[in-house]
Amino acid sequence: DQQVKQNSPSLSVQEGRISILNCDYTNSMFDYFLWYKKYPAEGPTFLISISSIKDKNEDGRFTVFLNKSAKHLSLHIVPSQPGDSAVYFCAASANFGNEKLTFGTGTRLTIIP
Amino acid sequence: EADIYQTPRYLVIGTGKKITLECSQTMGHDKMYWYQQDPGMELHLIHYSYGVNSTEKGDLSSESTVSRIRTEHFPLTLESARPSHTSQYLCASRSGGAVNEQFFGPGTRLTVL
Repeated sequence: DQQVKQNSPSLSVQEGRISILNCDYTNSMFDYFLWYKKYPAEGPTFLISISSIKDKNEDGRFTVFLNKSAKHLSLHIVPSQPGDSAVYFCAASANFGNEKLTFGTGTRLTIIP
Repeated sequence: EADIYQTPRYLVIGTGKKITLECSQTMGHDKMYWYQQDPGMELHLIHYSYGVNSTEKGDLSSESTVSRIRTEHFPLTLESARPSHTSQYLCASRSGGAVNEQFFGPGTRLTVL
């Protein structure tokens, strides 16, 4: 039973436009969420996180939105750049991040120049 | 920048061989993790440690074993490798504080023939 789901395996976006990556979760105990970015042959790199006490967190071009009632979060990248092309993983944790991470299957983002 | 290292980066070996995948971090983190990831799939936690002499099995059953004799070192061992062990193995660590940002190493891509 997959508790964190990223239903879009891939996404293509024109350079300069907004990229929106989605993530759904089923475990109501999750209260801390993270996004990681992964290039081929490298380990994941932390991008941004959000606690369930917030509904939005922003860091430069990256913004994460959390809708607790829908058990849904999204990552917005604006403007999208060619270097953003990578696989993006959503991850969730309980106990405000003190428990183990559960990852989604990832979304491959391709930015078209 | 995270300082977590994994060796080897790539390993191709024959069935039945014993192998050890190395993971070291220089950040003094108490918590360390091993994940297994197949292409297009989520990261599955196979082992974790919350400190020296502490090791636990993760969510995904694995025939590998780990040890934590020193804070900075968390090696993973397969006593007898099989083709089903072919995968990417990712090591991660984090501090014991409230932030659950895990830092990942570059990974080891293991192929068992």
